Amino acid sequence: EVQLVESGGDLKKPGGSLRLSCVGSGFTFSSFEMNWVRQAPGKGLEWISYISSSGTSTFYADSVRGRFVISRDNANNSLYLQMNSLRAEDTAVYYCARALRASLLDPFDIWGLGTLVTVSS
Amino acid sequence: DIQMTQSPSTLSAFVGDRVTITCRASQTITDWLAWYQQKPGLAPKLLIHKTSTLQSGVPSRFSGSGSGTEFTLTISSLQPDDFATYYCQQYNFYPCTFGQGTKVEIK
Repeated sequence: EVQLVESGGDLKKPGGSLRLSCVGSGFTFSSFEMNWVRQAPGKGLEWISYISSSGTSTFYADSVRGRFVISRDNANNSLYLQMNSLRAEDTAVYYCARALRASLLDPFDIWGLGTLVTVSS
Repeated sequence: DIQMTQSPSTLSAFVGDRVTITCRASQTITDWLAWYQQKPGLAPKLLIHKTSTLQSGVPSRFSGSGSGTEFTLTISSLQPDDFATYYCQQYNFYPCTFGQGTKVEIK
């Protein structure tokens, strides 16, 4: 079965750091571009970061650029999101999502169940 | 960034009804539009991409149409499993952006 499983969500104080992980299985992880998408409580979806299949190309939404870093370890079928300088507005469920094709601009055909990040003092 | 506006925000319908959701883009996105279904507590599920291409396994009662700036998702005969929130997404311009969602409720 093709699936993505996120972990690492937690309650953090503003200014803190957190690392999210996402493990893929049931498909050739190294062949797919990957993304992080978040959803604040009761709100819509926000794309926040992309990484190419090789890991050599990354992109970020303005809201997280300079604070978050996306990376991947294809040998271990893993995707990461290092989150620094956390703010209250980063509170959300964070999903990892697989791109349908090999493109930065693509819909997302496989999603994880999400992991909740709460930023509060 | 491209703004995606969905209407209505909430829709009440009966099982068996034909339902249409509209998504408008702030500028032309040709046909690079996707639709997702999300149920409470679950991840979004890709229904349609490139405006009208049904994702594998999605029932044929779902269809998409449109081009340029105006797009629609139609459910030909609403089923109990279809009560959910639906999001459109443009992926013509970086960054990709989503509509605010349309909640389909039971009438």
